[in-house]
Amino acid sequence: AQKITQTQPGMFVQEKEAVTLDCTYDTSDPSYGLFWYKQPSSGEMIFLIYQGSYDQQNATEGRYSLNFQKARKSANLVISASQLGDSAMYFCAMREAGDSNYQLIWGAGTKLIIKP
Amino acid sequence: NAGVTQTPKFQVLKTGQSMTLQCAQDMNHEYMSWYRQDPGMGLRLIHYSVGAGITDQGEVPNGYNVSRSTTEDFPLRLLSAAPSQTSVYFCASSPPGRSYNEQFFGPGTRLTVL
Repeated sequence: AQKITQTQPGMFVQEKEAVTLDCTYDTSDPSYGLFWYKQPSSGEMIFLIYQGSYDQQNATEGRYSLNFQKARKSANLVISASQLGDSAMYFCAMREAGDSNYQLIWGAGTKLIIKP
Repeated sequence: NAGVTQTPKFQVLKTGQSMTLQCAQDMNHEYMSWYRQDPGMGLRLIHYSVGAGITDQGEVPNGYNVSRSTTEDFPLRLLSAAPSQTSVYFCASSPPGRSYNEQFFGPGTRLTVL
């Protein structure tokens, strides 16, 4: 079964609008972390935001916020006031505390295109 | 700090050739890992290391070897390249402490096997 699901392969959004990128996850580990990374066309992986499973508040980093709904196992990324430079692939990933591999488990990504 | 560096950026190999992808970090991170990224998929873990002298297999280790003789370096060796190993390879590192710290990524190596 997929541990990280991103149901939107691609999205078009008008510049300056807010955008929500969906991510659902599956784990039985009570302790885990959720990450969002941005991958522009140049290829590098850029860390955006992190949410711990025990964090009481939703994480925020500048224009990025994470809408964490633990009971629904969802961790959607919200980008406010989108900019042309936000056009990129966005990946949701999870790390389980009980995983001795310490690996990040990745979703397939969402391609976001911001229209001027 | 240079962060995580990878060389080469691009490489073309013929089937059966061997090569080493280099990865280095100057942040004194204990944990380092190698991922591959295939089109339409997220990253998958190949090998990882929790410190110098310690390596272990990830999700897709077949056809790859690693070693960790120093904290800084974590090379990935392709023993006999196959077209199925055509991919983008990322090296990542993270600091000690909580098991789910942020991972810092290198710029990637785009490998094509003909």
